[in-house]
Amino acid sequence: GAVVSQHPSRVICKSGTSVKIECRSLDFQATTMFWYRQFPKQSLMLMATSNEGSKATYEQGVEKDKFLINHASLTLSTLTVTSAHPEDSSFYICSARRLAGGARKDGYTFGSGTRLTVV
Amino acid sequence: EDKVVQSPLSLVVHEGDTVTLNCSYEVTNFRSLLWYKQEKKAPTFLFMLTSSGIEKKSGRLSSILDKKELFSILNITATQTGDSAIYLCAVDMDSNYQLIWGAGTKLIIKP
Repeated sequence: GAVVSQHPSRVICKSGTSVKIECRSLDFQATTMFWYRQFPKQSLMLMATSNEGSKATYEQGVEKDKFLINHASLTLSTLTVTSAHPEDSSFYICSARRLAGGARKDGYTFGSGTRLTVV
Repeated sequence: EDKVVQSPLSLVVHEGDTVTLNCSYEVTNFRSLLWYKQEKKAPTFLFMLTSSGIEKKSGRLSSILDKKELFSILNITATQTGDSAIYLCAVDMDSNYQLIWGAGTKLIIKP
């Protein structure tokens, strides 16, 4: 089945540094990738939507200069948290929408998440 | 290999029916099982289950976990068209900082 590989699963970084999170679709082409933050026992908060080859669309309140998203190919999207601060500590999850014609036209495949701790 | 399997993959019922969605799992270090409802882009949190046999309830939705048989069910009674969505199950793995997701069950409620 469709798999999205997300790395790293856990990262600890110092304040002021940047962290890159990668999501790769392993056996399908992901035209659209979604990036979320999740807090314990809460819904996933959509941060941005990226389409391959174009600029990401950010949700209201999400700083696009702080959370850089690149979707350079149909199988890879990256989220870079720039100049990270402790309040950026969270669980980040990606989700890929499969191309029409796949087993589930409107299905989403989720990455396993990245737990970011900024110290 | 850690995995979460949801069934059925899709389900079509009429308003007023009761549905049961299944989620089975095989993981190395289970911490909790989570249910979400996805209507648009962002899944909405429904339940987190950590203990066997304790039913969690929210309105017409309820869920229970069986840690011996490694599965959970999500029940929806008196379904409404607004219940139409993809229901996702995910297992949180202790110490691995990972969520393993099921493929989801697409539920369609016909008026």
